[in-house]
Amino acid sequence: QKEVEQNSGPLSVPEGAIASLNCTYSDRGSQSFFWYRQYSGKSPELIMFIYSNGDKEDGRFTAQLNKASQYVSLLIRDSQPSDSATYLCAVIRDTGNQFYFGTGTSLTVIP
Amino acid sequence: KAGVTQTPRYLIKTRGQQVTLSCSPISGHRSVSWYQQTPGQGLQFLFEYFSETQRNKGNFPGRFSGRQFSNSRSEMNVSTLELGDSALYLCASRITSGVIGTQYFGPGTRLTVL
Repeated sequence: QKEVEQNSGPLSVPEGAIASLNCTYSDRGSQSFFWYRQYSGKSPELIMFIYSNGDKEDGRFTAQLNKASQYVSLLIRDSQPSDSATYLCAVIRDTGNQFYFGTGTSLTVIP
Repeated sequence: KAGVTQTPRYLIKTRGQQVTLSCSPISGHRSVSWYQQTPGQGLQFLFEYFSETQRNKGNFPGRFSGRQFSNSRSEMNVSTLELGDSALYLCASRITSGVIGTQYFGPGTRLTVL
């Protein structure tokens, strides 16, 4: 079983819609959770992080964490074509020395 | 504040050669991690250095090695290059090692092995 699993997609949404990206993790000792966005040919850039159960909002982005169910999600409201990218989920376990990344979900926002 | 920098940005080598990649973390960041990214495997963790000590190592052969200097700059070395080593090598830094702390990536070094 992989540490972090994501649906590879591709996920397509129309412009202005809500894009929902999901991630599950296997280790209950996971402490910190991150979403990165990666454009083709570029390096990952941090979108947001979440440590506690519940929702965390930052502009058009909302991260949701449910430790009991071991999933973390990212909602993108009012999706724009510029949001078209691969979204990577990452977690840190309680040992703390390593990020574990999912393989990413490819998102396409259709104008 | 300047971001993570990596040099060189592009490299072309032939099988059997060795290569050294360099990473300068964000000022004040003491933890540096290295990743290999390929289309088939995604982001694979190589190792993390903190205060000049390797804190963790991924599942890569001994041909992959690294080190960190007292100014937190890090280098990664790959010896006896193989075709399968062609990848984007990413360096990421954060303030400290541990369960808290966001990690920021550099632009990467694109290595092509012929």
